[in-house]
Amino acid sequence: GAVVSQHPSRVICKSGTSVKIECRSLDFQATTMFWYRQFPKKSLMLMATSNEGSKATYEQGVEKDKFLINHASLTLSTLTVTSAHPEDSSFYICSASTTVRGNQPQHFGDGTRLSIL
Amino acid sequence: GQNIDQPTEMTATEGAIVQINCTYQTSGFNGLFWYQQHAGEAPTFLSYNVLDGLEEKGRFSSFLSRSKGYSYLLLKELQMKDSASYLCAVGSYNTDKLIFGTGTRLQVFP
Repeated sequence: GAVVSQHPSRVICKSGTSVKIECRSLDFQATTMFWYRQFPKKSLMLMATSNEGSKATYEQGVEKDKFLINHASLTLSTLTVTSAHPEDSSFYICSASTTVRGNQPQHFGDGTRLSIL
Repeated sequence: GQNIDQPTEMTATEGAIVQINCTYQTSGFNGLFWYQQHAGEAPTFLSYNVLDGLEEKGRFSSFLSRSKGYSYLLLKELQMKDSASYLCAVGSYNTDKLIFGTGTRLQVFP
């Protein structure tokens, strides 16, 4: 149980392109979904927290107009990197949880490796 | 504030036992999680402790002392495939999110 699917697993595209990443909880309803970014050999950096039907809460320093998050249902959240540039190249990982108060594990998708040329 | 400390790197030998420590400071503590992350992959959940004591799951055990703000992950009978980063994360009543440590990169040698 508790499977999270993230798609696509890898994207290579030109600078200026917008890229959409999907995160789905396959066998449970996710009250909350999280989006992380990870640089090589570094830990997870939380970008934003999204709850179904409400606006995402972004961490300090994360541009909400650059990283658009939509959490349309209890099983789907999307992250759109708008007008991506080479500095946006990174490993993006989503996770989903069944709780709003941090006492249940987050279950992670397999991640999306984004490379902007 | 919230803070989590764990060693950056550790090495061990195949078949040995290794203990990865994690100390934390947080308000509204609501559990501590350990995750394993292999290079280039997403983290996978290993264990959750909310009460003091030891939780055992096969070769892996996790310990928590809330009064000391301290946890450790114990890996027994190490295998080469255990080479990975191990992330300590803390949950809080005050927020939806988990606070992750920087991770401990464990290398297991033959």
